[in-house]
Amino acid sequence: EPEVTQTPSHQVTQMGQEVILRCVPISNHLYFYWYRQILGQKVEFLVSFYNNEISEKSEIFDDQFSVERPDGSNFTLKIRSTKLEDSAMYFCASLLTSGVYEQYFGPGTRLTVT
Amino acid sequence: AQSVTQLDSQVPVFEEAPVELRCNYSSSVSVYLFWYVQYPNQGLQLLLKYLSGSTLVKGINGFEAEFNKSQTSFHLRKPSVHISDTAEYFCAVSPSNFGNEKLTFGTGTRLTIIP
Repeated sequence: EPEVTQTPSHQVTQMGQEVILRCVPISNHLYFYWYRQILGQKVEFLVSFYNNEISEKSEIFDDQFSVERPDGSNFTLKIRSTKLEDSAMYFCASLLTSGVYEQYFGPGTRLTVT
Repeated sequence: AQSVTQLDSQVPVFEEAPVELRCNYSSSVSVYLFWYVQYPNQGLQLLLKYLSGSTLVKGINGFEAEFNKSQTSFHLRKPSVHISDTAEYFCAVSPSNFGNEKLTFGTGTRLTIIP
């Protein structure tokens, strides 16, 4: 069964460093999402991406964040200068098309900022 | 805007006993409702969804949920749980527009099955 994959599974970085979280969505899916979950808190929406541009972003997704689909398979989330409060589990999701309603999630990347 | 409340953060249940995981939501627009499950070290997997029609929806692994519009609830139930049901369960909503909108999640309920 096709699945969304994410790498790395765990990333430790120092405050102020740049990190790139990688996701490979299901191959024929058209919509892509990033969510995050700070330990003990809700899963929160960050950004959605369609047709090579951002469809919607949350207040969390400020200028420190960016997303890119550099080729036909990868979908990345970049944090330019990490802060302690960026420590969280980051989930990537993909959706086949409008009207399907099921977002498929990856296993997540745990980001620890020290 | 939407919000989701899962009233129980942890629910311990004996094996083969029934379980109900509670979810309430708030929204100024019509919504679609979802339950996702997360097994250890895995991603979120869709259990079931309510889009329209019958208020009782059935999902995978013997789970079902009932949409109650007047109580703005979407509680998840299973008549007899198994050890393999040990996981974290998330309730989520999205605006009922095109089906590609963001999901708004609750804080999750950790279901622990006691042998």
